[in-house]
Amino acid sequence: SQQGEEDPQALSIQEGENATMNCSYKTSINNLQWYRQNSGRGLVHLILIRSNEREKHSGRLRVTLDTSKKSSSLLITASRAADTASYFCATDAISGSARQLTFGSGTQLTVLP
Amino acid sequence: NAGVMQNPRHLVRRRGQEARLRCSPMKGHSHVYWYRQLPEEGLKFMVYLQKENIIDESGMPKERFSAEFPKEGPSILRIQQVVRGDSAAYFCASSGTVNYGYTFGSGTRLTVV
Repeated sequence: SQQGEEDPQALSIQEGENATMNCSYKTSINNLQWYRQNSGRGLVHLILIRSNEREKHSGRLRVTLDTSKKSSSLLITASRAADTASYFCATDAISGSARQLTFGSGTQLTVLP
Repeated sequence: NAGVMQNPRHLVRRRGQEARLRCSPMKGHSHVYWYRQLPEEGLKFMVYLQKENIIDESGMPKERFSAEFPKEGPSILRIQQVVRGDSAAYFCASSGTVNYGYTFGSGTRLTVV
């Protein structure tokens, strides 16, 4: 799979349910970030987890990182219709002076009212 | 703090014309990144710049594309002799130091007709 590859590609749930999205990557990272994008709009930074962290919370968001498995998950609890968007994970790798975020193809989340 | 400002929001060019996309980073940010997003895909890294320097341009097409971040003024992504395949959303992001999330602009949607 590609660096920063999300799974599933699409997810449809009922309002109030939890949504879990997974991300796998291949290379060593400095940190991993999750972003949200509403249709036709820009990206909104949700949460950043550093390579030496295992879990992080922000409101209804919970992110885990397993560097041994090179994977991360994003959990959105008690989902709302307004959570409908595409969610991307991005790995932040630094090599020398170079730094770049590598994005996956995203998970399209639909929360039905 | 106005965040990352990109203009124009929408740009229509005929094949063969030049497209100039502008990005003003967040105040205090000295790192600028350009990404391209094709429909239904994730963002693809193009170039990473600091003031007056291109740090990593490994994602830039070898021809027709160039980027600069002058000492004064915004960063510019220039696409010469545009073709239909250049139609995409182009996002700029900025950051301060490493281990911090990127702040993205709202993007410029380029349509080549």
